[in-house]
Amino acid sequence: GQSLEQPSEVTAVEGAIVQINCTYQTSGFYGLSWYQQHDGGAPTFLSYNGLDGLEETGRFSSFLSRSDSYGYLLLQELQMKDSASYFCAVRDYGQAGTALIFGKGTTLSVSS
Amino acid sequence: NAGVTQTPKFQVLKTGQSMTLQCAQDMNHNSMYWYRQDPGMGLRLIYYSASEGTTDKGEVPNGYNVSRLNKREFSLRLESAAPSQTSVYFCASRDTGDNEQFFGPGTRLTVL
Repeated sequence: GQSLEQPSEVTAVEGAIVQINCTYQTSGFYGLSWYQQHDGGAPTFLSYNGLDGLEETGRFSSFLSRSDSYGYLLLQELQMKDSASYFCAVRDYGQAGTALIFGKGTTLSVSS
Repeated sequence: NAGVTQTPKFQVLKTGQSMTLQCAQDMNHNSMYWYRQDPGMGLRLIYYSASEGTTDKGEVPNGYNVSRLNKREFSLRLESAAPSQTSVYFCASRDTGDNEQFFGPGTRLTVL
């Protein structure tokens, strides 16, 4: 089976940088994804890392180290609108195809 | 292009009642998924379908059944609702070979 660990809460101030870590245990690894969810809303895709290294998309970056079974999401120049829950996820292969398995999520609170 | 739609948005059931949650996508995706989200538990996979005619159990399938009616539609049925099934249910879809899953707005279900 798969399991993912991430901190439950992180707080930061506007303009700061925050890093959300994720460690995983999988029977087979097919990449690490990150999703954002605002309160009451649907999760939305942020990034995917299939190989080791850093992927950058605007203010957000995601890093993966497959040898350490570890990744992180880096949010820079934090804004109030970044207050949300962030989930890391890995792909699980079953008989009928593949599905994402999610961590329990990290709630980010950004204050002014 | 509506993306992933879910009906109903809200539902209250009594213990033992049955109901079907509907999900449809207009992006011509092969894979579709049902998740439930409970406070502090993240998103847990209930069932998924890689294509028409195929379904597979996820992490928490007990008490649920699914039907992949056609490529567009994937329904989730609760045959005899229990208070433990009070949750927010999200449907999602993904194109083959793509890393991004698209989520619907969710159905908020309360079982009394």
